[in-house]
Amino acid sequence: DTGVSQNPRHKITKRGQNVTFRCDPISEHNRLYWYRQTLGQGPEFLTYFQNEAQLEKSRLLSDRFSAERPKGSFSTLEIQRTEQGDSAMYLCASSTWDSRAFFGQGTRLTVV
Amino acid sequence: GQQLNQSPQSMFIQEGEDVSMNCTSSSIFNTWLWYKQDPGEGPVLLIALYKAGELTSNGRLTAQFGITRKDSFLNISASIPSDVGIYFCAGVYNNNDMRFGAGTRLTVKP
Repeated sequence: DTGVSQNPRHKITKRGQNVTFRCDPISEHNRLYWYRQTLGQGPEFLTYFQNEAQLEKSRLLSDRFSAERPKGSFSTLEIQRTEQGDSAMYLCASSTWDSRAFFGQGTRLTVV
Repeated sequence: GQQLNQSPQSMFIQEGEDVSMNCTSSSIFNTWLWYKQDPGEGPVLLIALYKAGELTSNGRLTAQFGITRKDSFLNISASIPSDVGIYFCAGVYNNNDMRFGAGTRLTVKP
């Protein structure tokens, strides 16, 4: 089964450090999404790629956040100078044109 | 942005009972999606709806795309303990902008 894969599953980091997460989408999916989810809330949209083009970014995505999808395959989400408020589950999803998005298991970030 | 209001926030039901939950918005969506999420895991897609009025089933789950395109409903019949979890609706706007409700937490008592 080649579903959406996210690494790492868990990350604990000290405040001020940089972290990078990776997402490997389902291979034939051209669309890739990043979401952030805090306890008791629904996923909040962060950014969206169609192939390698980053077509939309949420206002939630401050200058400390950057996402890439080189060659339209895997994607990385980097958070610089982490803050305690960045602690959350970071979810990646991919889809084809039909918008049926399939999610990975997420990366849980804890900033201490 | 497009706000989705999902209700109820939580439900406590007896095994075997039917469940209904809904999602409403002030905005029109092109697609409605329903997901289930277990603790510590990513959401799992249950049903996708593409046309106003569409009614789609997946086993004991049935979902409908509202006529106004501003709402959607999910029904679960004859609930079982493994139905426990958080159910999210998601509306897709403009074929790529996918927004989520806050979820309905379902508890099933055996």
